[in-house]
This record gives sequence, structure tokens and C-alpha cells, in this order.
Amino acid sequence: DSGVTQTPKHLITATGQRVTLRCSPRSGDLSVYWYQQSLDQGLQFLIQYYNGEERAKGNILERFSAQQFPDLHSELNLSSLELGDSALYFCASSVARATGELFFGEGSRLTVL
Amino acid sequence: GQSLEQPSEVTAVEGAIVQINCTYQTSGFYGLSWYQQHDGGAPTFLSYNALDGLEETGRFSSFLSRSDSYGYLLLQELQMKDSASYFCAVRVLNTGTASKLTFGTGTRLQVTL
Repeated sequence: DSGVTQTPKHLITATGQRVTLRCSPRSGDLSVYWYQQSLDQGLQFLIQYYNGEERAKGNILERFSAQQFPDLHSELNLSSLELGDSALYFCASSVARATGELFFGEGSRLTVL
Repeated sequence: GQSLEQPSEVTAVEGAIVQINCTYQTSGFYGLSWYQQHDGGAPTFLSYNALDGLEETGRFSSFLSRSDSYGYLLLQELQMKDSASYFCAVRVLNTGTASKLTFGTGTRLQVTL
């Protein structure tokens, strides 16, 4: 158990819908990262927050947005969902702003039908 | 952008030693990480090399050569539970002073009897 909590674990929805994925980082960690993993693919970096502020941005679509709240939990919002958005979405956290050591949650598996 | 290359699959016998290589092309390089991911599970941090040389942690060792843009993960005394996907990831400059961790597509290791 990494200490990173993600909800929901599984989510099935339809194209065009909007969903919110939630992440609670490990106690004391200020950085939160979001990654997308499609079937048999590597982990695609989406975005990082540090202590409430956006820190680094990757290949995040304009239909996706994220934020980190004062209690350090984070939410990833996915809207106008398409079939290709079906994937595992991982949240990770770390103490530092910049590090090679991330602690990943168990992921939220999104299926878009 | 960044590119990372690692073999897609490796098979080895229980008790043996296996080396998984990773070559990368990127600018703004800070370091190389390795992660293990079992099917359906979360990625788990194994090691991070910021400097050239070999880092050893139990049965696992990781090596980095910054001048050759190359690293490897060495797994010794292989056990069946080591069957998993192994990802190399480079920590690189994103924008300003921010960095991001970019993952390769992973090497699937199968340990056989």
C-alpha cells in the first residue's frame, strides 16, 4: 500500500459524459501527479501540482482539467468523453517538487462506451 | 520531446540474472528512474540514478551513463514474483524550473521455471 488513495476504482460511462477522478496523496506529500495508461501502453504524464499550484504540464487534452485543493487532495476532470479516453488513470504523489521517486495509487479504470 | 527505448519483452529462468536496457534521447536530463508494475497493479518505484554509476538495492541494481544516454536495470536471483513490466523513466526539464517524469513503454519480463 503506497498510501495514495484513488476513487473510484472503476467507472463506466458513455461518450460525451463528464467524470471526476479523485486522489488523496500520502500524508505529508505536497506534489500530486496524474498519468494516463492505455492498454499495453506506457504511462503518459498529464499534469503535476505542487502545494496547490500547477507545476508541470504534459500531454493533457483541453477536455481534461485538474486541480489541487488546500487539503492537498486532487481531482482530474474529464469531459466530452470519447472512446479513446478509456484507460487507467493513475495518481502519484511525492514530498518534493522534483524527484524521480513517485508513489502511485492503484488507479481508476475508466471505460467509455 | 523525449524518446526512450527499451526491449518490449524479456524471458529468463528462475534463479538467473537479467539485464533490461534503456536508451534515451532528451534535453534537460536530470536522472533515470525504474519502476515495476504487475498486471493490473500500480507502478512501484525501484531506483533513481542522477549520477553515473551503479546503485544496488538488494537483488536489484541500476546503472546510468549520462554520456551514453543509457541505463540498465539488473535483476539477480530471479524469482517467479519478478514477472512484471519494468519501466524506465527520465526526469527532464519541463518549463522554467519544473521537471517531469516521462516513462518508456515498458519491458515485460517473464520468469520461467
